[in-house]
This record gives sequence, structure tokens and C-alpha cells, in this order.
Amino acid sequence: EDQVTQSPEALRLQEGESSSLNCSYTVSGLRGLFWYRQDPGKGPEFLFTLYSAGEEKEKERLKATLTKKESFLHITAPKPEDSATYLCAVQADDYKLSFGAGTTVTVRA
Amino acid sequence: NAGVTQTPKFQVLKTGQSMTLQCAQDMNHEYMSWYRQDPGMGLRLIHYSVGAGITDQGEVPNGYNVSRSTTEDFPLRLLSAAPSQTSVYFCASRWDRGGYGYTFGSGTRLTVV
Repeated sequence: EDQVTQSPEALRLQEGESSSLNCSYTVSGLRGLFWYRQDPGKGPEFLFTLYSAGEEKEKERLKATLTKKESFLHITAPKPEDSATYLCAVQADDYKLSFGAGTTVTVRA
Repeated sequence: NAGVTQTPKFQVLKTGQSMTLQCAQDMNHEYMSWYRQDPGMGLRLIHYSVGAGITDQGEVPNGYNVSRSTTEDFPLRLLSAAPSQTSVYFCASRWDRGGYGYTFGSGTRLTVV
């Protein structure tokens, strides 16, 4: 059974204080690992898809990396508008995504 | 605007009532799916469809029914609502050209009393 564990559950940062979120996964045959951002009362918003170990992707202050067992989402010099819940999901077969419970990030000005 | 549209945004049902949550996408995606999101848990797959006329069960299908008569629409039916179905429901479609990922709708918040 595919398992996705995100840590920490919650993260409080000062503006400009860089940090990392962790997504550990157990899956047989990874086809893709996804990062999403979710604001309160909204649907998940796509950030990245990573396909193989060693791959990295960047978007503004966010950088996602992937190993064979985990993925990290690095937030560099965060701003208050980066406050959100970040979701990680893995896909092992063609049709089913397995999600972690998410990390809620709060950035204080 | 291209994307996934869900209606209604909010709904309150009484136990035993039935209703249909609507989902439509205008991106010509073949794959569509329904998830529910509960506090402290990840999104869980209810049903999915790989094209018109083809549907299959996900992780938590009991109490829900789906059909896919067109590429654009993928409604989710609650046959006899139960308090355990109180949740936020998300519809998603998948693109698969130049890599792949999922576009989610804005959700339907359902309360069963």
C-alpha cells in the first residue's frame, strides 16, 4: 500500500527565514511525485511534478527535490503570501494519487 | 477561463437525502477524478474515469456513484446521505502532454445533518 508522510504538520516562520518541508513516501514504482499549495477554502493549486530521483524544480521562492525515499520543498526567504498548506502526493500506477496530510506554513511579517 | 468548475460550493443535506455534485472541465482531459478531504487526513480518491463511458472505484467508493457520458462532465452522486459523508469534495482532471499533473476545482463543502 502506498504511503505518504509529511512533516512537520505545521511550520511557523519569520519573513525571510528559509526552511524545508519533508515528504517521505513508500511506493512500488514511482511514476510521479506532486507538490500542491492549498489556501483556506480553495482547491489545491499545482506547483511541481517530479519524476525521478535527483530531479529538481524551482518556482519563485520554492524549490522541490526528489530522492528515492523522500522529497523536500525548500522555501527560500519566505513572504507572508507564502502562507498556505502544502500537499505532497505520489502516483504509482496510471490512475491513483495518494496524498499526505499536508504541512501548514505560516509566515509572519 | 479554462479549468475545473464545481457546483454547488456549499450544501446542507439531511440524512437519507440524495444529491449530485457537479464537475465540468473545458480542457479536453480524458482523466477525471473525485476526492474527499477531511481534517487531519490527506485527500482520498473516491472514483475516477479515464474517458467517456469508463469509470472505476478509488479508495473510498462506498455510498457514492459516478457516470461519465461526456468528456467534459463527471458528476458525483450521493445516493442516501450519511453524516460520515460530511466533507469537502474536490474534482480534478489530469493533463498528460509534456509531463503530467492534476488541475483541481474549488471544492464543494457538504454537511449532512
